[in-house]
Amino acid sequence: NAGVMQNPRHLVRRRGQEARLRCSPMKGHSHVYWYRQLPEEGLKFMVYLQKENIIDESGMPKERFSAEFPKEGPSILRIQQVVRGDSAAYFCASSPLRDQETQYFGPGTRLLVL
Amino acid sequence: AQSVTQLDSQVPVFEEAPVELRCNYSSSVSVYLFWYVQYPNQGLQLLLKYLSGSTLVKGINGFEAEFNKSQTSFHLRKPSVHISDTAEYFCAVSVASGSRLTFGEGTQLTVNP
Repeated sequence: NAGVMQNPRHLVRRRGQEARLRCSPMKGHSHVYWYRQLPEEGLKFMVYLQKENIIDESGMPKERFSAEFPKEGPSILRIQQVVRGDSAAYFCASSPLRDQETQYFGPGTRLLVL
Repeated sequence: AQSVTQLDSQVPVFEEAPVELRCNYSSSVSVYLFWYVQYPNQGLQLLLKYLSGSTLVKGINGFEAEFNKSQTSFHLRKPSVHISDTAEYFCAVSVASGSRLTFGEGTQLTVNP
């Protein structure tokens, strides 16, 4: 059973461009979470999704950030008009229906905004 | 809202020495508790978790943690560390099944020969 997959692993964008981060949960997992880790800091919750539904987006910045988890395909975290402060590691986690307490993390996408 | 405090940002130890990484939490409701390990430039790997039952929890790589409700603590211990245990360790809590994790700021464990 493959783990949580994220791509790309590294992403470089110039200010003003868009960044799209992808997350494929573990097989059989229907819950996806996104977290952001700024340099020298812990992880901060951003958003929690189930298939086609956003359950909790209280950690998402109000502007420029959006997330989706369509019926088919990976979850996408989209950052529009990136700024240098968006440079961080973005981690996706997934959990199965029968063990929702436990989240399994992917390797992360490291975004660098020039 | 819940919060997590990891009392030590850096813990240097010698190989084969015991280690304790401290974690305290604050919450008005019952919590689930977790320890994750992060190796450089990698994702987080679950070490162990406390959901209910026995307060002493054993995890992977020889780690264990004890849930102390009266002291709101969940300290991580290992009796004898290896060089390969050098990593960042994160304590986290959640308050319900399927809810967000709240993380501490992390403790960098460095094991020296």
